[in-house]
Amino acid sequence: AQSVSQHNHHVILSEAASLELGCNYSYGGTVNLFWYVQYPGQHLQLLLKYFSGDPLVKGIKGFEAEFIKSKFSFNLRKPSVQWSDTAEYFCAVDTDKLIFGTGTRLQVFP
Amino acid sequence: DGGITQSPKYLFRKEGQNVTLSCEQNLNHDAMYWYRQDPGQGLRLIYYSQIVNDFQKGDIAEGYSVSREKKESFPLTVTSAQKNPTAFYLCASSIVDRGLDGYTFGSGTRLTVV
Repeated sequence: AQSVSQHNHHVILSEAASLELGCNYSYGGTVNLFWYVQYPGQHLQLLLKYFSGDPLVKGIKGFEAEFIKSKFSFNLRKPSVQWSDTAEYFCAVDTDKLIFGTGTRLQVFP
Repeated sequence: DGGITQSPKYLFRKEGQNVTLSCEQNLNHDAMYWYRQDPGQGLRLIYYSQIVNDFQKGDIAEGYSVSREKKESFPLTVTSAQKNPTAFYLCASSIVDRGLDGYTFGSGTRLTVV
């Protein structure tokens, strides 16, 4: 069965620090990959998605992710975080249904 | 505007009672999904349906039931057999050939069982 692993459960950074959140999935076939964000008290929003083509995907708010097929990974990055990036981040894998990782809580301090 | 409507936003029920959560979409999406969100566990798939009158169990279907009599509607019943029903429930929809459209999520229903 497909599964998604997010190894960082809680990340604490200062503003302007760089961010990388890990995401690994287990599925042997073709996948679509997503990163979602949930700001405090708000519902899920799509940050970025990968379906095919360039493995480096750019999303909203300066986020990007790189799909590395050989490593079954889709890590999320941002060069310089802001306090407003404080949120929970979910990686998800889509085959015939969307499966989420357990999420990473990011706290950014000014 | 097209979207997904989940109602109510907050729901309180007594232990032992069944409760049905509503999910309606006007996006003409074929597929609909129910997720449960708990702190530290992310979103877990309860049930999904890719076509009217058909649905499949997700990872945590025990204690839940669904129906898909209309394309627009995918209600979720939390039965008394669900041991820990208090949670945040999210409904989503998508076209079957998802392409670039991805998924659309509702704003959720927070169920509290006392």
